Amino acid sequence: DPKIIQKPKYLVAVTGSEKILICEQYLGHNAMYWYRQSAKKPLEFMFSYSYQKLMDNQTASSRFQPQSSKKNHLDLQITALKPDDSATYFCASSQGGTGGDEQYFGPGTRLTVL
Amino acid sequence: QQQVRQSPQSLTVWEGETAILNCSYEDSTFDYFPWYWQFPRESPALLIAIRPVSNKKEDGRFTIFFNKREKKLSLHITDSQPGDSATYFCAAKNQGGSAKLIFGEGTKLTVSS
Repeated sequence: DPKIIQKPKYLVAVTGSEKILICEQYLGHNAMYWYRQSAKKPLEFMFSYSYQKLMDNQTASSRFQPQSSKKNHLDLQITALKPDDSATYFCASSQGGTGGDEQYFGPGTRLTVL
Repeated sequence: QQQVRQSPQSLTVWEGETAILNCSYEDSTFDYFPWYWQFPRESPALLIAIRPVSNKKEDGRFTIFFNKREKKLSLHITDSQPGDSATYFCAAKNQGGSAKLIFGEGTKLTVSS
């Protein structure tokens, strides 16, 4: 069974619309992250959460908003979508705290903005 | 500013040879260096990692050599196999803070048989 679930796997959106990317992890981890990967840039850190609290935000735009309704959920809401937002978005998780630094990545959501 | 750099951008070796992938960094506060590999259309997967207290970490055919003074590390893949063909990412994490990983741009390895 997959330990980190991301939905949907593929997503096509029109410019200006809003989408929510879903992430759930069943590893019992306390920390969750979002990364982005595009053809133009290497894997790029976006957000980190620990025990449902925002720890770091490296995303310049407020159009990207993480949402954590449960400890094992970290969704990503993207508003006013632009073609430049086209990328694969990966959710990751780790034990957090003193439990270990190993981060495990989900399968990703590939977003295309037309 | 790219804090983690990788070279070469791409590398081709023959099956059975040793592939050497290089990584360098700038921030001396980095305290954890994982390597990930990524196959086409898949997500990055943790391969092996090292902390600055060690200068070598081995796991089967994969070995990290770490030089703290020069801020360099390398991943050696011995007896390379076609199934090792992937893009390899070196990453680094600061001590404390958000645990964010800063990735290099990757090395695309091709193992020819």
